[in-house]
Amino acid sequence: DGGITQSPKYLFRKEGQNVTLSCEQNLNHDAMYWYRQDPGQGLRLIYYSQIVNDFQKGDIAEGYSVSREKKESFPLTVTSAQKNPTAFYLCASSTQQGRMNTEAFFGQGTRLTVV
Amino acid sequence: AQKITQTQPGMFVQEKEAVTLDCTYDTSDPSYGLFWYKQPSSGEMIFLIYQGSYDQQNATEGRYSLNFQKARKSANLVISASQLGDSAMYFCAMREIYNFNKFYFGSGTKLNVKP
Repeated sequence: DGGITQSPKYLFRKEGQNVTLSCEQNLNHDAMYWYRQDPGQGLRLIYYSQIVNDFQKGDIAEGYSVSREKKESFPLTVTSAQKNPTAFYLCASSTQQGRMNTEAFFGQGTRLTVV
Repeated sequence: AQKITQTQPGMFVQEKEAVTLDCTYDTSDPSYGLFWYKQPSSGEMIFLIYQGSYDQQNATEGRYSLNFQKARKSANLVISASQLGDSAMYFCAMREIYNFNKFYFGSGTKLNVKP
């Protein structure tokens, strides 16, 4: 089955620690995205990547880092510099074939809590 | 300026009735696409319906239809014959031709279907 897998589903982090959220897709999509969602809020773009070894900052990149060494994988690291990391994180992917009507596919999300 | 605006934080509808969720957008690109997603309490994002800016007819998918008014820059989602399982957050999103790899999301509308 093609799709996007995020792990873990729940993650607890102590203050001052870096944590990495995993995102893997087998849809052969070029573009991948990380969004942050706070309770009752919309999705805010953290980072996105159009091709391997390239990525761009979104609207709230401070305190986060990403890598795109493989087409299938786009891990997100929440660093200690992110002052309020408790949130729901969604990874998504989309084809880059120039078709406007292709939607973004989402993973199941990772709920990160700082303890 | 906000790219996508959803002005209804919460809505109630009686089971079996129709409901309209509002979405307005802001773009100067000549071509763009509009998407609606459903997010149940589990957190997954489910794609519902798509409308292209050059589509002559309003999109429909089963009980979902999109009331697209291009001149007013609005793309309202209409859900007919509401069911209890329709209770969820609903997000409007847009991608633009000149910024193809970015999806802009609204803040969402929480729909509650009453029995």
